[in-house]
Amino acid sequence: NAGVTQTPKFQVLKTGQSMTLQCAQDMNHNSMYWYRQDPGMGLRLIYYSASEGTTDKGEVPNGYNVSRLNKREFSLRLESAAPSQTSVYFCASSLGQGIEKLFFGSGTQLSVL
Amino acid sequence: DAKTTQPPSMDCAEGRAANLPCNHSTISGNEYVYWYRQIHSQGPQYIIHGLKNNETNEMASLIITEDRKSSTLILPHATLRDTAVYYCIVRGFQYSGSARQLTFGSGTQLTVLP
Repeated sequence: NAGVTQTPKFQVLKTGQSMTLQCAQDMNHNSMYWYRQDPGMGLRLIYYSASEGTTDKGEVPNGYNVSRLNKREFSLRLESAAPSQTSVYFCASSLGQGIEKLFFGSGTQLSVL
Repeated sequence: DAKTTQPPSMDCAEGRAANLPCNHSTISGNEYVYWYRQIHSQGPQYIIHGLKNNETNEMASLIITEDRKSSTLILPHATLRDTAVYYCIVRGFQYSGSARQLTFGSGTQLTVLP
């Protein structure tokens, strides 16, 4: 039982390049989330998907797009990376109803030069 | 969701109980108190949650005051591996298909000292 799996673990991009962060969960969870965490700061929600087929903006959605490919997978795309998007990105999932216990992936360290 | 206030940092001696306070004076009747922690460089980890009654699991105990305006997370025998940032979050019950977000503040940096 792998839980929440994120790929890649590390990535370096040049300004203007694009990339997609992948996230998959094997817990049959309904809801999935993408957070970013900048050094010394708390987590900020980028986008979330309350259930398969729906996505909603979080606190800091600008510069990102998401796709809920199916119930298991939720990807985050940077169309034109900027240095301000240098951060650690965490994917999370939850059952999506009742008591909310989020399960987090191990994170992706992204640097944009 | 109600706002929470936590001290920015705390120290605890290894083997002793760590008591982490959280103030949530504007909590409403149907909001739960959740605790998560984040060990350096890792994703946050769920610890415990409660509504009114005190709760205990294999990781910690949660004590909620009778007026529900504050709570304390207790790690009974802290170890060096418990050094982490601890987040107290207040959140309402999530109904299926609803759009709710879990908001993490700045938390309390707990350092367990040898």
